[in-house]
Amino acid sequence: GAVVSQHPSRVICKSGTSVKIECRSLDFQATTMFWYRQFPKQSLMLMATSNEGSKATYEQGVEKDKFLINHASLTLSTLTVTSAHPEDSSFYICSASSGVSTDTQYFGPGTRLTVL
Amino acid sequence: QKEVEQNSGPLSVPEGAIASLNCTYSDRVSQSFFWYRQYSGKSPELIMSIYSNGDKEDGRFTAQLNKASQYVSLLIRDSQPSDSATYLCAVKGWGGSQGNLIFGKGTKLSVKP
Repeated sequence: GAVVSQHPSRVICKSGTSVKIECRSLDFQATTMFWYRQFPKQSLMLMATSNEGSKATYEQGVEKDKFLINHASLTLSTLTVTSAHPEDSSFYICSASSGVSTDTQYFGPGTRLTVL
Repeated sequence: QKEVEQNSGPLSVPEGAIASLNCTYSDRVSQSFFWYRQYSGKSPELIMSIYSNGDKEDGRFTAQLNKASQYVSLLIRDSQPSDSATYLCAVKGWGGSQGNLIFGKGTKLSVKP
């Protein structure tokens, strides 16, 4: 149980283009989904938290107009990196929580984004 | 600024030995504590969660929590080469923004055959 998928697993794009990453909870309803970014040899940095049907809450320093998050259903959240630049190249990982008291987060496999 | 501190390692242990991973945290109101394992190029995988002071055992893994000392550890008994990975300590407070996980930078463990 508690499986989270992400698509695509790897994407290479040209500078200036937009990239959409999907995160799905496959066997549970995710009331909250989280988006993290991880640069090489660094820890996970939370970008934003999204609740189904609500606007995402962004962490300080994360541009909401650049990283668009949509949590349209209890099993799907999307992150769109708009007008991507090489400095946006990173490992993007989503996690999902069912919102019960323990609030354990289950992570998706991640998406490796390379912007040329 | 809430912080979670871990020794970056690498921690090297021989196969069959006990690996001890440590973590300290700064926020006294933290309530939930997690250990994740992350293989290179992969996303984190939950190993253990602990919420109360004391020890919690699951197979070869034992998590230890001491809230007074703001310290949480993970012991891996009978270490195997497949345990070689980076271990992330994560701490969570109460709800709202305090309910988000704060991750340490991870300790890299290497188990030598």
